[in-house]
Amino acid sequence: DSGVTQTPKHLITATGQRVTLRCSPRSGDLSVYWYQQSLDQGLQFLIQYYNGEERAKGNILERFSAQQFPDLHSELNLSSLELGDSALYFCASRDFYFGYTFGSGTRLTVV
Amino acid sequence: KNEVEQSPQNLTAQEGEFITINCSYSVGISALHWLQQHPGGGIVSLFMLSSGKKKHGRLIATINIQEKHSSLHITASHPRDSAVYICAANNNDMRFGAGTRLTVKP
Repeated sequence: DSGVTQTPKHLITATGQRVTLRCSPRSGDLSVYWYQQSLDQGLQFLIQYYNGEERAKGNILERFSAQQFPDLHSELNLSSLELGDSALYFCASRDFYFGYTFGSGTRLTVV
Repeated sequence: KNEVEQSPQNLTAQEGEFITINCSYSVGISALHWLQQHPGGGIVSLFMLSSGKKKHGRLIATINIQEKHSSLHITASHPRDSAVYICAANNNDMRFGAGTRLTVKP
């Protein structure tokens, strides 16, 4: 257990639907990063939050949104899902000393 | 051309061999990361480098900022080192290489 918790581990849903992925950072870490890993695009940075505020944005589609709550957990919302959104979604938190710690990922399959 | 290029894409080695994976980047960075992804999918951060060299056990990572190049070395490789190794250039966001799939045979 890395200390970063992601739920659910697996998710199968239909095109057009909306899903929410959840991430709890390592205890004490204020930052949360979201990444997408698909077979054709590899790993891509989506978005970063720090202590509840958006810090940096990467290749995140307009159909996707995220937020970080006061208890520091974060949710990534994916809507109007397409087949191409099928991927592994990772979150990570960062500590000055330990660097990045990744969660085990959520495998999303859109059918 | 990708902003972060890794070579080789695939690497097969015999147990005990010295392994080198290379990473070149074209973007400005605050740090360069090496990640390890196991067959089950989990990602582990191995190194975060902004200059010089770091060592952890049998793993060594080096970076040359002027040449925008980093290398990951594994000494005395072992089958448990079999994984995908990914470098990532970090500034405001992370740009990832495509990964190097390493297989170490006993």
